[in-house]
Amino acid sequence: QVQLQESGPGLVKPSETLSLTCSVSGGSIMSYYWTWIRQPAGKGLEWMGRVYSTGSTNYSPSLKSRLTMSVDTSRNQIFLSLASVTAADTAFYYCARVRSYEFDSWGQGILVTVSS
Amino acid sequence: QPVVTQEPSFSVSPGGTVTLTCALSYRSVSISNYPSWYQQAPGQAPRTLIFNTNTRSSGVPDRFSGSILGTKAALTITGAQAEDESDYYCVVYVGDGHLFGGGTRLTVL
Repeated sequence: QVQLQESGPGLVKPSETLSLTCSVSGGSIMSYYWTWIRQPAGKGLEWMGRVYSTGSTNYSPSLKSRLTMSVDTSRNQIFLSLASVTAADTAFYYCARVRSYEFDSWGQGILVTVSS
Repeated sequence: QPVVTQEPSFSVSPGGTVTLTCALSYRSVSISNYPSWYQQAPGQAPRTLIFNTNTRSSGVPDRFSGSILGTKAALTITGAQAEDESDYYCVVYVGDGHLFGGGTRLTVL
């Protein structure tokens, strides 16, 4: 069974770039879409975007100007980069695999706080 | 930007039946939106319940079922149990991306 693990800094300063890695084990990232989803504490889930194993991406319109997703197939990893962060970007960040049109495997999530 | 709307909260008695719905702001939800449903317990990552409108994910009890009811996607829990008290989120596929509903907090009491 595929397992996903998010990693990265838990604290990012305002105006800087938030960078996270999702490491996949138990299966290849090839031939799948991978997605990032975030959730501010006490609030709902927000789809951020998706990246295919070839590197093709689709982003949420609300984040498109600040968001970059990429993959490294040799390392079986997916990356998230969110620029110019503010306190509103403080959230749990989850990576998930997109099997067909659903998110079938999820990481445990990582809390990222934006604060000086 | 389309919006997906769910009931903010719902309550059901143990053993009862409840139907949660998921509406798209600009048109009816259809099977071509591939609606899916996720359960999130406090402090945990979401768990996939239903995908492709009505297919249960592996290990999901058959008291959970998905459907299209009128213009909305629906999640029905038949014979609710105490452990079903959670937040429930629907997701629809629109254009080249996914949209989450705001979630429904289900109380079993």
